[in-house]
Amino acid sequence: QSVLTQPPSASGTPGQRVTISCSGSSSNIGSNYVYWYQQLPGTAPKLLIYRNNQRPSGVPDRFSGSKSGTSASLAISGLRSEDEADYYCAAWDDSLSGPWVFGGGTKLTVL
Amino acid sequence: QVQLVQSGAEVKKPGASVKVSCKASGYTFTSYDINWVRQATGQGLEWMGWMNPNSGNTGYAQKFQGRVTMTRNTSISTAYMELSSLRSEDTAVYYCARGRRDSGSYYWDYWGQGTLVTVSS
Repeated sequence: QSVLTQPPSASGTPGQRVTISCSGSSSNIGSNYVYWYQQLPGTAPKLLIYRNNQRPSGVPDRFSGSKSGTSASLAISGLRSEDEADYYCAAWDDSLSGPWVFGGGTKLTVL
Repeated sequence: QVQLVQSGAEVKKPGASVKVSCKASGYTFTSYDINWVRQATGQGLEWMGWMNPNSGNTGYAQKFQGRVTMTRNTSISTAYMELSSLRSEDTAVYYCARGRRDSGSYYWDYWGQGTLVTVSS
């Protein structure tokens, strides 16, 4: 049982816009930054979004992050086949659950 | 370029210990934390702890307190994660990741390729 809650799956067709949600509480998302990691099949996770909505260099601007209260979202526009991957949200947690907690991951399928 | 290269797969019996290494290159090893994150097959990510390679200071997730030890050898830019009293539930891929501090935020910007640890009798 993950501390942060994500939908187990999401899907979209090429060119579409999809969003993945991440729900937490006041001790994690509500008071700390949210990070998103992309994990392509058989590979290590890769940083996608940091500090709620910042993209590291090299990450396309098709990826965007947002946060409101105790929830966060990752949006992917202009969906491409290579976006098919698992996506994880993460945040620092000020309670005994922490300090670092993850969502259970969302498997994105490009139809 | 920054690289973290981990040691190879391990098979251990229940009750044994495993020590995984993570060799850093392409940056100053002592300038960034090393974190360890594990992933059971088909499951999500789980943070285990961090180590400051400069000071040797560590911080562990409560779940692993007493069973995990993170160390380093700065002369060869290598971090280690040792997990003891292994049980079947510890079967997972173990990743090292570089921790970066940036304007009040902290994230893992480079990851090792992962080391599969299998615990089986």
